[in-house]
Amino acid sequence: DGGITQSPKYLFRKEGQNVTLSCEQNLNHDAMYWYRQDPGQGLRLIYYSQIVNDFQKGDIAEGYSVSREKKESFPLTVTSAQKNPTAFYLCASGTGGSLNYGYTFGSGTRLTVV
Amino acid sequence: RKEVEQDPGPFNVPEGATVAFNCTYSNSASQSFFWYRQDCRKEPKLLMSVYSSGNEDGRFTAQLNRASQYISLLIRDSKLSDSATYLCVVRRRPSLGNEKLTFGTGTRLTIIP
Repeated sequence: DGGITQSPKYLFRKEGQNVTLSCEQNLNHDAMYWYRQDPGQGLRLIYYSQIVNDFQKGDIAEGYSVSREKKESFPLTVTSAQKNPTAFYLCASGTGGSLNYGYTFGSGTRLTVV
Repeated sequence: RKEVEQDPGPFNVPEGATVAFNCTYSNSASQSFFWYRQDCRKEPKLLMSVYSSGNEDGRFTAQLNRASQYISLLIRDSKLSDSATYLCVVRRRPSLGNEKLTFGTGTRLTIIP
């Protein structure tokens, strides 16, 4: 079945560590996105990529980095520069074509700083 | 002003009732609109797109008013399983090859037996 897979489901990070969140899709979607969700807040865009080997900063990119070496994969690294990384991280993909199609989300990664 | 605004609720509604949510958006260049449903501690899932002429999917009806810049979602004959947070989502293309999806903070709905 086609879908989008995020791993791990739960991740604990120590202060000062970098961690990488995985996102893989087999939907043949060109566009992929990373969002962060905090309690009581809407989803905020971190980074997005419309095609392989290209990505753009979203609204809250500071302290994060991404790569898009393959169409299927869009990993997110949360660096030590991100001061408040505890959140629910959601990866999404979309066709980038018709405006009437929404995005498909992965099941998310809950990151906690310990 | 937020680009997408929703009443956060909570809406506590008896089973079988009809409930409606509104959402307003500030950017008149917005091109397409969606309602997503998000269960507690889960990812958002697309409930329905919202078309200019309005559209219906079973018990769910979505409407768009471009002149007043709001969209609505109506749920008829509500079920316990409808309890969730409903996210209003607006999409636009600020430049060629670039698009922006903006999410509202969501309206929490609880259906009471």
